Amino acid sequence: DNQMTQSPSSLSASVGDRVTITCRASQSISTYLNWYQLKPGKAPKLLIYAASSLQRGVPSRFSGSGSGTDFTLTISSLQPEDFATYYCQQSYSTPPYTFGQGTKLEIK
Amino acid sequence: QVLLQESGPGLVKPSETLSLTCTVSGGSISSSYWSWIRQPPGKGLEWIGYIYYSGSTNYNLSLQSRVTISVDTSKNQFSLKVNSVTAADTAVYYCARYDSSGFYAFDIWDQGTMVTVSS
Repeated sequence: DNQMTQSPSSLSASVGDRVTITCRASQSISTYLNWYQLKPGKAPKLLIYAASSLQRGVPSRFSGSGSGTDFTLTISSLQPEDFATYYCQQSYSTPPYTFGQGTKLEIK
Repeated sequence: QVLLQESGPGLVKPSETLSLTCTVSGGSISSSYWSWIRQPPGKGLEWIGYIYYSGSTNYNLSLQSRVTISVDTSKNQFSLKVNSVTAADTAVYYCARYDSSGFYAFDIWDQGTMVTVSS
């Protein structure tokens, strides 16, 4: 299985900060990398697909980049509603579709 | 707008079978792949498996011996069964659509159901 490693596992930041989360795949996955936002009691939300494509309706302060094994999710200016847990997920080749271990973004 | 809604018990006894159903509304189940994903308390997301509307399935090898996913196109529903559950199966269970036509991502999710395995 292709293992996905996210860093950091947790992050404290303030409203207005620029934040970057990284995700590394154990094998090359081209750009088959997606980012999700999870909040307790809510449906998880797809933010970025294919490494850098913004899902419809997602604010433009979210962006993704990378290819091969190294990827980043950047939030350009944190808003109060952005405090959540973020997961990367690879969908390269055949299943299993593995997720990173998550990054919990907390208010400083 | 496609929406997903889960149903099923929130408490299951050890060694019994966990059963959940996901109903698709606002669109047809007869396209895309339909998945189950879970999140144990304090842990990350784990993909359980998927089913295509035709009935073909693919499961995570770690759970394959205990999991069955089925589809009922007449009801626009797909279901999950996990046999011989233990406390390690306690988790929030999500149903989700896997878009294979362009996104190659889980683009629609329900809000999840907490299932506790306990006597």
